[in-house]
Amino acid sequence: KQEVTQIPAALSVPEGENLVLNCSFTDSAIYNLQWFRQDPGKGLTSLLLIQSSQREQTSGRLNASLDKSSGRSTLYIAASQPGDSATYLCAVYGSGTYKYIFGTGTRLKVLA
Amino acid sequence: SAVISQKPSRDICQRGTSLTIQCQVDSQVTMMFWYRQQPGQSLTLIATANQGSEATYESGFVIDKFPISRPNLTFSTLTVSNMSPEDSSIYLCSVVQDWSYGYTFGSGTRLTVV
Repeated sequence: KQEVTQIPAALSVPEGENLVLNCSFTDSAIYNLQWFRQDPGKGLTSLLLIQSSQREQTSGRLNASLDKSSGRSTLYIAASQPGDSATYLCAVYGSGTYKYIFGTGTRLKVLA
Repeated sequence: SAVISQKPSRDICQRGTSLTIQCQVDSQVTMMFWYRQQPGQSLTLIATANQGSEATYESGFVIDKFPISRPNLTFSTLTVSNMSPEDSSIYLCSVVQDWSYGYTFGSGTRLTVV
């Protein structure tokens, strides 16, 4: 059974710092992995999606990497801003499972 | 990617009553899903809404408590029945058009049961 863990659970950093969020999964037989952002009380916004054949994806200040063999993904946020404050969730899709399994989330606060 | 309209955005309900949440997509999609997010927790899949047939429920969720309809490829409803304070959560609709493109989520329904 796939289990997805995110470390740290919460993170508070000063504005301008570069930071790394971690996502670990127990079953490496995944089709893709998706990173989401969730603002308090709101729905989820997709940030990046990495296919199992890819090593990384970039969008603006965000970079996500995937090491399928070790069951790990990282989300790198460059030059963090207060507007980046949110909960970040990773989710993995296992081939043939027809659903995503979500991680526990990292609650990020960027201080001005 | 698909655009999802989810209604209501929030509601406060009395215990023992039911609430129906609607999810409307601007294009036909193969798969639709309903998730629950309890306070401070991650997302838990309730069920997959199947067009023209009964929904597929995950372990711990039953049709009597969470009846789901999906009359066509663009619309689904989730009803939370006989509500108790433990049902207070955010309920989220998501869709997949192609697994290569991942999930798209609605804006969520914030439910408080008093």
